[in-house]
Amino acid sequence: QVQLVESGGGVVQPGGSLRLSCAGSGFTFSTYGMHWVRQAPGKGLEWVAFIRYDGRNKYHADSVKGRFTISRDNSKNTVYLQMNSLRAEDTAVYYCAKDLRGWENYWGRGTLVTVSS
Amino acid sequence: DIVMTQSPLSSPVTRGQPASISCRSSQSLVHSDGNTYLSWLQQRPGQPPRLLIYKISNRFSGVPDRFSGSGAGTDFTLKISRVEAEDVGVYYCMQATQFPHSFGQGTKLEIK
Repeated sequence: QVQLVESGGGVVQPGGSLRLSCAGSGFTFSTYGMHWVRQAPGKGLEWVAFIRYDGRNKYHADSVKGRFTISRDNSKNTVYLQMNSLRAEDTAVYYCAKDLRGWENYWGRGTLVTVSS
Repeated sequence: DIVMTQSPLSSPVTRGQPASISCRSSQSLVHSDGNTYLSWLQQRPGQPPRLLIYKISNRFSGVPDRFSGSGAGTDFTLKISRVEAEDVGVYYCMQATQFPHSFGQGTKLEIK
């Protein structure tokens, strides 16, 4: 079955960096675009970034543009989110998800990022 | 950017009674490929979101048929024909027609 497992979350100081990973299994990873979506504590969902199946196209939300970068390694079935210049407002559970358009939409369980001094 | 607006934001419902959630987009969600990428997600307490409905009205595998989606263009609706205790949670509409993708604010469904 499809599994998406996020890792790399933790506590980081404002201005610091963190790299999140999401390992996919149970599907042909290299043929799917992948997304990161976040959810601040007690708040709703916010789309963060997308990378095409081959890595050639990437999109980032304005709120993270220039600070976060999505990437992938299809040989490792893994998508990444490099987060730099972190701010308190980036504190959230970060989910990776596949196929937000159709019937193969799955989500991981998320990893918590806390930005605090 | 497309803004998604849901109503109501909170919906207390009696078990066995119907519930309805509305979602309106600031622009048409019809993609150039002819599809409308409007989905509904359910998030139970302490759980990640999960897909209920995709492309307006298609139920995801395993979703009970008491859930149905409808609409077109900019106006969409999720209906639950008879609410059950397991339906408690927050429901989100989401558009994936255009980048940046976006979500509604969420509607909290609770049992009276």
